[in-house]
Amino acid sequence: DQQVKQNSPSLSVQEGRISILNCDYTNSMFDYFLWYKKYPAEGPTFLISISSIKDKNEDGRFTVFLNKSAKHLSLHIVPSQPGDSAVYFCAASAASGTYKYIFGTGTRLKVLA
Amino acid sequence: KAGVTQTPRYLIKTRGQQVTLSCSPISGHRSVSWYQQTPGQGLQFLFEYFSETQRNKGNFPGRFSGRQFSNSRSEMNVSTLELGDSALYLCASSSGKIPGESYTFGSGTRLTVV
Repeated sequence: DQQVKQNSPSLSVQEGRISILNCDYTNSMFDYFLWYKKYPAEGPTFLISISSIKDKNEDGRFTVFLNKSAKHLSLHIVPSQPGDSAVYFCAASAASGTYKYIFGTGTRLKVLA
Repeated sequence: KAGVTQTPRYLIKTRGQQVTLSCSPISGHRSVSWYQQTPGQGLQFLFEYFSETQRNKGNFPGRFSGRQFSNSRSEMNVSTLELGDSALYLCASSSGKIPGESYTFGSGTRLTVV
């Protein structure tokens, strides 16, 4: 049972344009959401997070939007750069003390120069 | 400060053997989580240790086990290896005390079972 889903395995975007990566979840108990970026042969690196009390969080070129009623979150990267080419994972956890994250299967982003 | 260190980086084992992977978390972090990454499956949660106790467990068979030492270093063991155990095993550290806190991952151990 995949509680966190990233339905687009890959995405190609032109440099300078917006990249939008989507993530859906099924467990209404989730209230913390993180995005990670992963380059080949490296561990994932933390990008940005959002808690369920917010619907938007921004950090430089990265913005995460949360729609709790739709159980959907998205990561916007503006403007996209070739160095952003990586696999992006969304992850969710519940604050009920479980301290574990459920990850999606990832979306491979390719930014074309 | 030093990051999360996983050893070894690469490992090749034969079916039926057992393997032990090691993870040293960031200094001061008491929580260590282990994930398995395979193509198409994303990161699958194995287990989490906090202060030497297994606090969370994923849906993996009993062949997968772990432990944590008093210095917070953690080991993961897989017994009776199967071909399907070939994967990147990632370790992540955090303080383990703050809901919603992000993990810091190590670079992983690439295990190949032949």
